[in-house]
Amino acid sequence: SQQGEEDPQALSIQEGENATMNCSYKTSINNLQWYRQNSGRGLVHLILIRSNEREKHSGRLRVTLDTSKKSSSLLITASRAADTASYFCATDAGANNLFFGTGTRLTVIP
Amino acid sequence: DAGITQSPRHKVTETGTPVTLRCHQTENHRYMYWYRQDPGHGLRLIHYSYGVKDTDKGEVSDGYSVSRSKTEDFLLTLESATSSQTSVYFCAISDIGGLETQYFGPGTRLLVL
Repeated sequence: SQQGEEDPQALSIQEGENATMNCSYKTSINNLQWYRQNSGRGLVHLILIRSNEREKHSGRLRVTLDTSKKSSSLLITASRAADTASYFCATDAGANNLFFGTGTRLTVIP
Repeated sequence: DAGITQSPRHKVTETGTPVTLRCHQTENHRYMYWYRQDPGHGLRLIHYSYGVKDTDKGEVSDGYSVSRSKTEDFLLTLESATSSQTSVYFCAISDIGGLETQYFGPGTRLLVL
């Protein structure tokens, strides 16, 4: 499979703590994206980082990309109960379409 | 959900029957996609369209066909539904292409008995 692999599969933290999830992939990419999915809903795009970028910020989100290790991390700072969701990375793997991982399920305890 | 609707939202059908799912967008985006989501597999691409009447296969296209006769509508047909096609189906759209941001619909839950 060309999909990314998120780690951990599940993460439970207290509100206010930081949450870090990782994505590893197998082949060279043009860009990597992170999406969030609330229970029973469609995916929502969070951030896109291109292969020539190393770090990107959006509000409380920080994404890093290490192409030499074929990995990315998503950091959510000062987590809130509303951040409870599944988070997916998606890569293009050099193709014209996206390949999604199986996701990290984040639970933020109030 | 970015001007994307899917119908029906829920469907129960029997093995061997044909099923058509509809994705409708109001964003005038060129690219449209059908994915299925199953536990342990994440999202997998079934078919996609890069313009009216222009479609191509994805990772898991066997047993599915698609049609796009208008920019706004992308239909997914299960020609003869099987229990292995029980899944949640998502439509997505993109204005630039598959490597850029995709916007997802709310999903259709399909149960094949």
